[in-house]
Amino acid sequence: QKEVEQNSGPLSVPEGAIASLNCTYSDRGSQSFFWYRQYSGKSPELIMFIYSNGDKEDGRFTAQLNKASQYVSLLIRDSQPSDSATYLCAVPTRADGLTFGKGTHLIIQP
Amino acid sequence: EPEVTQTPSHQVTQMGQEVILRCVPISNHLYFYWYRQILGQKVEFLVSFYNNEISEKSEIFDDQFSVERPDGSNFTLKIRSTKLEDSAMYFCASSDGTSDEQFFGPGTRLTVL
Repeated sequence: QKEVEQNSGPLSVPEGAIASLNCTYSDRGSQSFFWYRQYSGKSPELIMFIYSNGDKEDGRFTAQLNKASQYVSLLIRDSQPSDSATYLCAVPTRADGLTFGKGTHLIIQP
Repeated sequence: EPEVTQTPSHQVTQMGQEVILRCVPISNHLYFYWYRQILGQKVEFLVSFYNNEISEKSEIFDDQFSVERPDGSNFTLKIRSTKLEDSAMYFCASSDGTSDEQFFGPGTRLTVL
């Protein structure tokens, strides 16, 4: 069974600080990794993807991938209250479908 | 910006009834997916669809489920005889196939009574 693991939280971060979200995956052959944001009662929204080892930056978001450790993380700089949501890590561990982690509930404290 | 749409937003049905959930994927996308999310649980893959046939299905997608692309725009999920445990949010997603990026619709909340 191919797994994607995340700490469910909640993770509480003061406004303006850096939020760090982590994800581990079991399938060593995974090649691409996705971060989705999900507000309560809403659908997942793709915010970042990464394919290569190292860092990828997009605005306030940075994805970090370490394939040797089977670890992917998401950093959110200058956290805003609107960043409060559940962040889902997803890995294509099937031919087409994504396997999601349970998500980390992030709370940004004003 | 193009987006995936789904109807209805909320469907209430009696146990044993058939339901059809509808999706309109992004127009130039070729790969279509259904996922479900039971309240408080993780998003789970159900099925993927490409070139008018199922590419892959999960253990959840049993004989009670079927998918169809009845025309050039719609993609449907049918549950033949609903059970209480089918109550969940059902998300449709689509991809253009050039990457693994999948874009999700707003979901249909299915409530089985």
